Amino acid sequence: DAKTTQPPSMDCAEGRAANLPCNHSTISGNEYVYWYRQIHSQGPQYIIHGLKNNETNEMASLIITEDRKSSTLILPHATLRDTAVYYCIVYTGNQFYFGTGTSLTVIP
Amino acid sequence: GAVVSQHPSRVICKSGTSVKIECRSLDFQATTMFWYRQFPKQSLMLMATSNEGSKATYEQGVEKDKFLINHASLTLSTLTVTSAHPEDSSFYICSARDTFLQQYFGPGTRLTVT
Repeated sequence: DAKTTQPPSMDCAEGRAANLPCNHSTISGNEYVYWYRQIHSQGPQYIIHGLKNNETNEMASLIITEDRKSSTLILPHATLRDTAVYYCIVYTGNQFYFGTGTSLTVIP
Repeated sequence: GAVVSQHPSRVICKSGTSVKIECRSLDFQATTMFWYRQFPKQSLMLMATSNEGSKATYEQGVEKDKFLINHASLTLSTLTVTSAHPEDSSFYICSARDTFLQQYFGPGTRLTVT
């Protein structure tokens, strides 16, 4: 079962930062936070993951709170191609259970 | 990065027939693969976990006799939808896990049962 809670939808202006929140209050010490996105009718695309520390890669940044009960995915300069459903997943190293995700719409 | 392919990308079949979907890890070995189903405007639902050389483990509510999974090699898993019905029409997605426990998703297969 999904262990995460995300807002169902968000809008973001093109060129601005998109901040997508995720609550995972029951996360255990050895569970990672993963973010994927899915563009319509495609397979999920990996974005980033982390355990405790904040992480950054060429696509996004991941900010994890000190108590690890929530995190935020940041797309620093959203483009129209970032319009997608974003999934936050708590991963034990076994199965991925997807929650309902956040549908992000980037507006011109 | 690691690539997972699925074949076919789209398939239309008649009610009562069976259809096979292939999932391949192209540049790595995957001892474990996963099959998901996604209905329109819904999230991905895990159907089963497939381990190479052993029987698949199905999630609660998924009929193992209807959705046959074979994982005969470290790079190939197949999902066969037997006696398909219109309600089986869905988007089927596989993922493959490498030795570092990273999962890579395929592009999905759109199944339409008429």
